[in-house]
Amino acid sequence: EDQVTQSPEALRLQEGESSSLNCSYTVSGLRGLFWYRQDPGKGPEFLFTLYSAGEEKEKERLKATLTKKESFLHITAPKPEDSATYLCAPFLSGNTGKLIFGQGTTLQVKP
Amino acid sequence: GAGVSQSPSNKVTEKGKDVELRCDPISGHTALYWYRQRLGQGLEFLIYFQGNSAPDKSGLPSDRFSAERTGESVSTLTIQRTQQEDSAVYLCASSPYRVVGTEAFFGQGTRLTVV
Repeated sequence: EDQVTQSPEALRLQEGESSSLNCSYTVSGLRGLFWYRQDPGKGPEFLFTLYSAGEEKEKERLKATLTKKESFLHITAPKPEDSATYLCAPFLSGNTGKLIFGQGTTLQVKP
Repeated sequence: GAGVSQSPSNKVTEKGKDVELRCDPISGHTALYWYRQRLGQGLEFLIYFQGNSAPDKSGLPSDRFSAERTGESVSTLTIQRTQQEDSAVYLCASSPYRVVGTEAFFGQGTRLTVV
C-alpha cells in the first residue's frame, strides 16, 4: 500500500532559524512529487513540482529537493509569515492522477 | 482569474440528514478531486474524476458517500444520513492534467458540522 510520511509533525522555529522538513514515501511507480502550503481555514496552495532525483526548486526562502525515497523542504531564515502547514504528495506514472497527501508538518515561526 | 469555488462555505446539519456539497472547478480543468480534512488532520482522499473515465472512488469511506460530475464542470458530493464523524472540511481541487505532474488547485472548502 502506498504510504506518505512527513516529519516532524510540528516544528517551532525562531525567526531566522533555518531548518528542514521531511517527506518520505513508499509508492509504486513514482513519477514526482508536489509540495503545498496550507494556511488555517484555507485550501492548500501549490508550491513546487519535483520530477527527478537530484532536482531542486526554490521560491523565496523555500528550497525543495528530491531523492528516490524522500523529499526535503528547506526553509532558510524563516519569517513569521512562513508559518503554515506544509504538505507533500507524490504522484505516479501512468494515467492515474490520484494524489495521496502526507499528514503535513505544521510550522510556527516566532518573531 | 476565477479559482475553484465551493458552496456552501459552511453547513450545519442534524445527524441523519442528507447534505450536498458543490464544487465549481476552474474552466477547462478535466480532473477534479474531493478530499476530507478532519480537524488537525491531513487530507484524506475521497474520489477523483478525470474527463470521461470512470471515477476513482477508492477513498469513499462508506456507501453513504457519493459524488457526481457533469461532464467537465460542476461536481456534487452527497453524504446521506450524516453522522457526527462526518464533521470535517471537504476540499475540492481541479487540474488541467495536461501531463502527469500537472498541479491541482484547491477551493477554500466546505466546513460541515453535524450536530
